[in-house]
Amino acid sequence: GQNIDQPTEMTATEGAIVQINCTYQTSGFNGLFWYQQHAGEAPTFLSYNVLDGLEEKGRFSSFLSRSKGYSYLLLKELQMKDSASYLCAVRETEGSYIPTFGRGTSLIVHP
Amino acid sequence: GAGVSQTPSNKVTEKGKYVELRCDPISGHTALYWYRQSLGQGPEFLIYFQGTGAADDSGLPNDRFFAVRPEGSVSTLKIQRTERGDSAVYLCASGIAGGRTDTQYFGPGTRLTVL
Repeated sequence: GQNIDQPTEMTATEGAIVQINCTYQTSGFNGLFWYQQHAGEAPTFLSYNVLDGLEEKGRFSSFLSRSKGYSYLLLKELQMKDSASYLCAVRETEGSYIPTFGRGTSLIVHP
Repeated sequence: GAGVSQTPSNKVTEKGKYVELRCDPISGHTALYWYRQSLGQGPEFLIYFQGTGAADDSGLPNDRFFAVRPEGSVSTLKIQRTERGDSAVYLCASGIAGGRTDTQYFGPGTRLTVL
């Protein structure tokens, strides 16, 4: 089983940088996903980390530390359209490799 | 199609009724997943298909829930004797091949409301 923890809500200012943390406990780690979900819409894939370190993709970066059971999603140059829920999901090595999702972090970007 | 599609987008039904929710995955994707999502929560896994067969149905909450994928493409989630607690958004996702390297691509979901 897994335990995934994310902050419930965060606020930030347009143009700023925000870091959304995700901690997890799992018996066998096999990758961590970040998804963005706007209200009433489908989750959209942002990033996938399976090795330690930072993966950068445009304004978004994702970091993983397997030894600490920790990841963060970094959003730079925030735009109003970045207001959404950000879901962390962890895949284990056992079973069918189905990712388990956290509750999501609701990010509100204000002018 | 270009992405995963789900129909209907909204379904309102009465307690005790039967409902069917449809998912059309990305063309060529062999893996198909059903999740449900309640307000303020992350998606909760229900069932995973690899081709036509259910590879993992451990997330189905009880025997009122059933899903099929007879030709390895479109899938239908069936809920019998619906209860108010079944109200949620039902999300479908597809993946190229499933397994330990798969990435899931989600559809827009069906919002089910049981009155």
